[in-house]
This record gives sequence, C-alpha cells and structure tokens, in this order.
Amino acid sequence: EADIYQTPRYLVIGTGKKITLECSQTMGHDKMYWYQQDPGMELHLIHYSYGVNSTEKGDLSSESTVSRIRTEHFPLTLESARPSHTSQYLCASSQPTTGTDTQYFGPGTRLTVL
Amino acid sequence: GNSVTQMEGPVTLSEEAFLTINCTYTATGYPSLFWYVQYPGEGLQLLLKATKADDKGSNKGFEATYRKETTSFHLEKGSVQVSDSAVYFCALNGAGGSYIPTFGRGTSLIVHP
Repeated sequence: EADIYQTPRYLVIGTGKKITLECSQTMGHDKMYWYQQDPGMELHLIHYSYGVNSTEKGDLSSESTVSRIRTEHFPLTLESARPSHTSQYLCASSQPTTGTDTQYFGPGTRLTVL
Repeated sequence: GNSVTQMEGPVTLSEEAFLTINCTYTATGYPSLFWYVQYPGEGLQLLLKATKADDKGSNKGFEATYRKETTSFHLEKGSVQVSDSAVYFCALNGAGGSYIPTFGRGTSLIVHP
C-alpha cells in the first residue's frame, strides 16, 4: 500500500498570499514529483527531485519553488498566489529500478486563488 | 523526444460493454509502459504495466499488451462496470535512459447502468 500524503486537500486564498502545499511519503522513495493538472485532466510536470538536496524544473514553467531537505518531504511554495495558479496539484514519488519506475500519487490539493 | 498519444474522450459505454482505449507512443530505446487510473477526487493509481515487448499487463479485468512493432499499448476490458468510470492515463518511462515519465492526456470513461 502506497503511503503518500498531501495537505491541505482544498485551499481557497486571496491574490498575493504566500502558500505552501505539503507532500510527504513514508516509503523511503528517492524520487518525488509535483504535477499541475488542468481541468481537461492533462498532467504537467512542474518540479521533481532525485533525492535530498536535489531539485529540478519540469516541462511546465512555474512560478513555484520546491525544496528537498528530507527524503520524505517535498513541499511546494508559491510566494505570491495569482488566479492563474488555480488548479489541482498532485504530488508523486517513485523508487527508481531499471524499467519499472512506478509512480505513487497523493490525493491532490485543489487550489483556488480569488 | 518521448510522447504518448491516447484517444480523446469521453468514452461513453453501457454496463457490460467491451472497452478499448487506444494508446500509441514514440520513444527511444525500450521504455516501460503503464496505465494509471484516476477516480473522481483522487490521485492517480497504477492499473497495470508491462516492461518489455509482448508482455501483457493485467489487473481487475483490464489488460494491455506491449506491441513494439506498432508502438502501442491499448487498454481493454471485456465487460465494464459503472464503478470503472474514471480517467485513464497511458504513460511510459525509462526511454533512452530517462526516468522522467511521459503521460498521455487522459481519457475519461463514463459507464451507464
């Protein structure tokens, strides 16, 4: 059973606020990811990490930042939220093994910026 | 670069109908192929996978065969249920030494009683 958690599940905030979306996993996975999911359900990779102190930008340009100080924790921060940031954010983790890098997803955070 | 193309939805079926969701890919090397499912209000979860050509992945009555000659990994189920209503994502990983996954755009399945 995969154990990956995201908080909050739902967040409604005003423009200009700083927010942090939390993601934690208890599986000891080295790789972690953040995706933005648009209303059409397509996934866009915005950040990923290979392990502690490793962070990389994904395919979709994002104004968010991430950190990876501990293996189990991969928070995403928006310094100044805007309505264009309204979306569903999914966190995932995986343990790389050749050819079978299955991703385990959290339940998501639905963010609405007014 | 790598890419995954899957049929656009929504796919609307009656209960007990046969399901096919097409998926084709472009990749270098020999990627692993996956189908993930997303139920309403949840994250994605692995449905099945195949790691080499001619492998068949199967789970919960769903199956898909890794066809390298046609670069395809079509999802099938012989008799769908209302509870199968969800969004299905085809994905690949491990192509050309890259272990950053590539997802298709997702196909919504709606099953009516």
